[in-house]
Amino acid sequence: AQTVTQSQPEMSVQEAETVTLSCTYDTSESDYYLFWYKQPPSRQMILVIRQEAYKQQNATENRFSVNFQKAAKSFSLKISDSQLGDAAMYFCAYRSGQGAQKLVFGQGTRLTINP
Amino acid sequence: DVKVTQSSRYLVKRTGEKVFLECVQDMDHENMFWYRQDPGLGLRLIYFSYDVKMKEKGDIPEGYSVSREKKERFSLILESASTNQTSMYLCASRWTGGGNQPQHFGDGTRLSIL
Repeated sequence: AQTVTQSQPEMSVQEAETVTLSCTYDTSESDYYLFWYKQPPSRQMILVIRQEAYKQQNATENRFSVNFQKAAKSFSLKISDSQLGDAAMYFCAYRSGQGAQKLVFGQGTRLTINP
Repeated sequence: DVKVTQSSRYLVKRTGEKVFLECVQDMDHENMFWYRQDPGLGLRLIYFSYDVKMKEKGDIPEGYSVSREKKERFSLILESASTNQTSMYLCASRWTGGGNQPQHFGDGTRLSIL
């Protein structure tokens, strides 16, 4: 079974600085998808960024980018120019390219932005 | 925008009660999911459904059942609530299309079993 590990329960960063959240996963599959989701306090979980395993190029969405290292099974999220609104729980998730549509989530990282 | 609506934000029930959590999505998605979220454990899949009347067990189905009579509605049922089922419950839906299609989540139901 696939597993996803986020080793940083909490992170903090100064406003306007850059922070990187770590995620590693374990799988024997070659076809899969990776996601970062954001859950602000008492608000809905939303998609931040996604990566297809067959793509070598790292995904980027505005201030959010990933460092996808397929051989190392690592999928870190970089947030540039951190803003107060980035404060949230961040979850890394894995989805197999075969069979079931379910997501496997990591434990989450709580990100605090210091003004 | 996709809207996934969960019937209650907060719910308090007693041990032994039968509890229903309702979820409705407005985008004609085939797939729907129920997760449980606990601190330090992330989200764990309870059940999912890939079509009307179809369901599959997730990773922690014990003590739960589900119902999907209509495409837009997916219900989670706690047959006899216990205190260890106190948790945040999240519903999600997804279009079956391309592999990178994300799941869309509701606001969550924080359930307390006393």
